[in-house]
Amino acid sequence: DARVTQTPRHKVTEMGQEVTMRCQPILGHNTVFWYRQTMMQGLELLAYFRNRAPLDDSGMPKDRFSAEMPDATLATLKIQPSEPRDSAVYFCASGVEETQYFGPGTRLLVL
Amino acid sequence: AQKVTQAQTEISVVEKEDVTLDCVYETRDTTYYLFWYKQPPSGELVFLIRRNSFDEQNEISGRYSWNFQKSTSSFNFTITASQVVDSAVYFCALRGGSSGTYKYIFGTGTRLKVLA
Repeated sequence: DARVTQTPRHKVTEMGQEVTMRCQPILGHNTVFWYRQTMMQGLELLAYFRNRAPLDDSGMPKDRFSAEMPDATLATLKIQPSEPRDSAVYFCASGVEETQYFGPGTRLLVL
Repeated sequence: AQKVTQAQTEISVVEKEDVTLDCVYETRDTTYYLFWYKQPPSGELVFLIRRNSFDEQNEISGRYSWNFQKSTSSFNFTITASQVVDSAVYFCALRGGSSGTYKYIFGTGTRLKVLA
């Protein structure tokens, strides 16, 4: 049963530190999405890729967030420097044939 | 512009009751895709169903059924004989079919509480 994996599952860090979240999409999926979920904003799309090429990152704060796909088996989301308002659950999803499947999420707390 | 509205913020039912979660969408695309996802207390988002705009057949999967009506731009989700394990937040989502569009628009979710 193929699944999207995300690491770490939980991260506590201090303001100003760099945070890197990793995602392994399901083998064969050609789209990868990064979402952020908070109580206030709900699910927000941060960025997405198709065939490893970034298609849209308009949802990301450009000055501190960056998303990459170094290869087909790894997507990364970096925050540098992190701020308390970045505290949220970050989901990665991978997709094929119009359907996306979510990973378990990374719960980030920035103190 | 594309939009998904889930007007019901929270619903509480007693176990074994039937419950319907509403989803209304807006899109100008002639081809589009509709989805339902479940987010249980554990936090993971679980895919439940995808519906293509050109397939208006309703679908039943066990206690779950979906009613897709293009005429009213609705894609409602019914749980029959609800169980405590159905307690979760349910999200409806839309993806347009225009070339180069891969963005999904999510509703704000409906929190379902099934009481024993």
